[in-house]
Amino acid sequence: EAGVAQSPRYKIIEKRQSVAFWCNPISGHATLYWYQQILGQGPKLLIQFQNNGVVDDSQLPKDRFSAERLKGVDSTLKIQPAKLEDSAVYLCASSLDFGWQETQYFGPGTRLLVL
Amino acid sequence: GESVGLHLPTLSVQEGDNSIINCAYSNSASDYFIWYKQESGKGPQFIIDIRSNMDKRQGQRVTVLLNKTVKHLSLQIAATQPGDSAVYFCAESQNTPLVFGKGTRLSVIA
Repeated sequence: EAGVAQSPRYKIIEKRQSVAFWCNPISGHATLYWYQQILGQGPKLLIQFQNNGVVDDSQLPKDRFSAERLKGVDSTLKIQPAKLEDSAVYLCASSLDFGWQETQYFGPGTRLLVL
Repeated sequence: GESVGLHLPTLSVQEGDNSIINCAYSNSASDYFIWYKQESGKGPQFIIDIRSNMDKRQGQRVTVLLNKTVKHLSLQIAATQPGDSAVYFCAESQNTPLVFGKGTRLSVIA
């Protein structure tokens, strides 16, 4: 079974530039998550989708971050404009169904460096 | 807000010995706990979980212990191998998004 795919794996941009990350979840998984992992810390949830609807985006900085999952499969996360403090690994995860006790499967992440 | 933390940021263990990684949580209402392993350059990988109605759960070479009285969670790895070297995160939930701790780096000495 293929895992969660993410691209790009690495991205370096200057502050105030825009960047987008892509995620393809495990086939058949209804729920998709985006996490931000700052160096030395655990992942922090940014947004959760159930199919193509947003379940929780309470920790998403909506003035600069946006995410979509239009067809209920792939998802993109965008940052516009980026700030230095956005430097982190952005992890995508998916689970078969909704529920906080559903096992989440993580992708390898996109490492973002903002200069 | 309430958060999950870890007692030690690093742990070094001799190959073949048992490892014990500890985690303290502050939300007494949390009812689900999970351990993840994260190797360098990879995403977190599920190891084992436990619900609050249990105090012990065993997997292959791993055991999770939950002490609700002192709000403490531990992960025991038997016969630690070089492949166990990674950062280990505990996470907790109260029918809410998972809250991850900062992680403990386990180094296995050959």
